[in-house]
Amino acid sequence: DAKTTQPNSMESNEEEPVHLPCNHSTISGTDYIHWYRQLPSQGPEYVIHGLTSNVNNRMASLAIAEDRKSSTLILHRATLRDAAVYYCILNNDMRFGAGTRLTVKP
Amino acid sequence: NAGVMQNPRHLVRRRGQEARLRCSPMKGHSHVYWYRQLPEEGLKFMVYLQKENIIDESGMPKERFSAEFPKEGPSILRIQQVVRGDSAAYFCASSPNQGARQNNEQFFGPGTRLTVL
Repeated sequence: DAKTTQPNSMESNEEEPVHLPCNHSTISGTDYIHWYRQLPSQGPEYVIHGLTSNVNNRMASLAIAEDRKSSTLILHRATLRDAAVYYCILNNDMRFGAGTRLTVKP
Repeated sequence: NAGVMQNPRHLVRRRGQEARLRCSPMKGHSHVYWYRQLPEEGLKFMVYLQKENIIDESGMPKERFSAEFPKEGPSILRIQQVVRGDSAAYFCASSPNQGARQNNEQFFGPGTRLTVL
């Protein structure tokens, strides 16, 4: 079983921010938190990763709790192309759970 | 730089036949991962290989499944005597070193969709 838990699904309106949560209460000190997403009928693609500090890139932001037992992927302005399944995984485990299916409404 | 290539993209086999799935990693990448995805489910790790070596096969079924990554050529996932339960999408990913285990991203291919009749 994956060492992360995520809600099965979330909905967002287009051009609004989206906060996708992930719990990883058994995370170890050396685990990095990685996020991938999978668009329909495609292979997963890397989104972002981090260890302790919040991270930003062109795709998203990653907010990591101080105790590292949870994290949140932030899409600042959701677009219809962001509709996908988002996976949160720990690098030393690499087990993907069911992820969160994000639906973006126009 | 071409991405990760997988072929065939779709494969149909009858029960009892063999399925061979190929994965060509990105240029310069020496690490390959294979995952299986059943319909409406998440990805399940199967095996992690480096050139000519199997590093972690903890996700591989004990029978009928094997994987290799020879010095030359693509990585091969081989399924012998396929059954209907093997029908799934099989994805491979490559990374330049140990991928996420060294905090480098993995690059995924488009997958091979296996259908067993």
